[in-house]
Amino acid sequence: GESVGLHLPTLSVQEGDNSIINCAYSNSASDYFIWYKQESGKGPQFIIDIRSNMDKRQGQRVTVLLNKTVKHLSLQIAATQPGDSAVYFCAENSGTYKYIFGTGTRLKVLA
Amino acid sequence: DTGVSQNPRHKITKRGQNVTFRCDPISEHNRLYWYRQTLGQGPEFLTYFQNEAQLEKSRLLSDRFSAERPKGSFSTLEIQRTEQGDSAMYLCASSFKVQETQYFGPGTRLLVL
Repeated sequence: GESVGLHLPTLSVQEGDNSIINCAYSNSASDYFIWYKQESGKGPQFIIDIRSNMDKRQGQRVTVLLNKTVKHLSLQIAATQPGDSAVYFCAENSGTYKYIFGTGTRLKVLA
Repeated sequence: DTGVSQNPRHKITKRGQNVTFRCDPISEHNRLYWYRQTLGQGPEFLTYFQNEAQLEKSRLLSDRFSAERPKGSFSTLEIQRTEQGDSAMYLCASSFKVQETQYFGPGTRLLVL
C-alpha cells in the first residue's frame, strides 16, 4: 500500500515491548486531545482521548499522559503487536470545531 | 457499515479538469468536516458544516474549491480546474458535538497529472 508519509519520525520497537510516542502541542488554551492511528491508505482511526482536567487516561493496551506545564502529550502502547504498525497523530482542540494535528510518528514493529 | 464513507477512494485526473468527491457521515452526526492531507503531514482543516450551514472555510481553500451539504446529510467537495498541487488525500470526518471525537472516513486520494 502507499505510504502516509515518507519522512516522518520513526519509532522502531520489538514485538512485545512497550512503545511510547510523544507529541508537543502548540496552544496552551487547548483542553481536549485525541490520538489517532493511520494505516497506509486509510483515514485516521480514533484511539483514545483526554481532557485537560486529567493527566492520565487508560484504554485497552493504551495510555495517554498529558503534561500541561510543558504542553506535552504521550501515547503508551503496551505489548506492541505487528498490527500496531502505523502512523500516529496527536490532535489538539481548544473548544471549537477545529482540531490541529501534529505531523505524526511512524511506528514500526519488528518481529 | 455505520462509519463515515467517502467516494471515490481514488481519482486520477488531468490538470484543468473538475472533480467532485462525496462524503456520507455517520447518520446521527450533524457536524461534518473536510481535511486535506499531503505526504508526511497531518490532516489540515479545509471547511466545516453544522447541518447544512457551512460555518468556516479555511484560507487553504481557494475559490476553485467549493463544498456543499444541501440537506444536512452527505456532503460534496468540488475542485474546479485542478492543478498538480491539488494532489493529496481528501478526508471527511463527522462528529455529534463540537468538542467531541471526529470520526474519519477512508479518504479520497486525488492525483492530478
